[in-house]
Amino acid sequence: GAVVSQHPSWVICKSGTSVKIECRSLDFQATTMFWYRQFPKQSLMLMATSNEGSKATYEQGVEKDKFLINHASLTLSTLTVTSAHPEDSSFYICSAEDRRTMNTEAFFGQGTRLTVV
Amino acid sequence: AQKVTQAQTEISVVEKEDVTLDCVYETRDTTYYLFWYKQPPSGELVFLIRRNSFDEQNEISGRYSWNFQKSTSSFNFTITASQVVDSAVYFCALSKVTSGTYKYIFGTGTRLKVLA
Repeated sequence: GAVVSQHPSWVICKSGTSVKIECRSLDFQATTMFWYRQFPKQSLMLMATSNEGSKATYEQGVEKDKFLINHASLTLSTLTVTSAHPEDSSFYICSAEDRRTMNTEAFFGQGTRLTVV
Repeated sequence: AQKVTQAQTEISVVEKEDVTLDCVYETRDTTYYLFWYKQPPSGELVFLIRRNSFDEQNEISGRYSWNFQKSTSSFNFTITASQVVDSAVYFCALSKVTSGTYKYIFGTGTRLKVLA
């Protein structure tokens, strides 16, 4: 299957700082990327959907000013957690798909474990 | 409303036992896709299977098999002769079109522990 690379795999940051997570599609062009958040022992919750060149669409309850999503190219989307606080500590996973191929399968990155201290 | 229910929070089996993970979904759409993913302790999601709503054929892949029954809105996953390496959290997911975009709805996951 297609490969989606997420970086970094884990990050520890101080409260109040910002953290950027990258999601890259390595062998296909991702017209659409999704960002999920997973708390320990819980399911994946969709945060936002981003289409290349457009503003992201955020799910209800997700603060768009706190979780900045940029999808500037067909192979890269970034999620920036601004002014991170301990409650933002979580596992963040991206997924990507190429809508032009009518492929209904999204490919997932390895995830990023964020710890805010 | 669309929903995926995995009623089994955690299952423990002894190696070589067969185990079935249940998945029940709700949707009003006629076209949708169902998935199973494995999430080992490292965190990445490993794709196992995709099934579209028009294909009710059961599928077998090695020790894995899936039973899709639209009549009961279920898409159950069976591992035969389980192995310690099967220990992971397994997620069932429903993919549906929302405002022209496919979105995944995940179940809460079933944590499988295979004991040696």
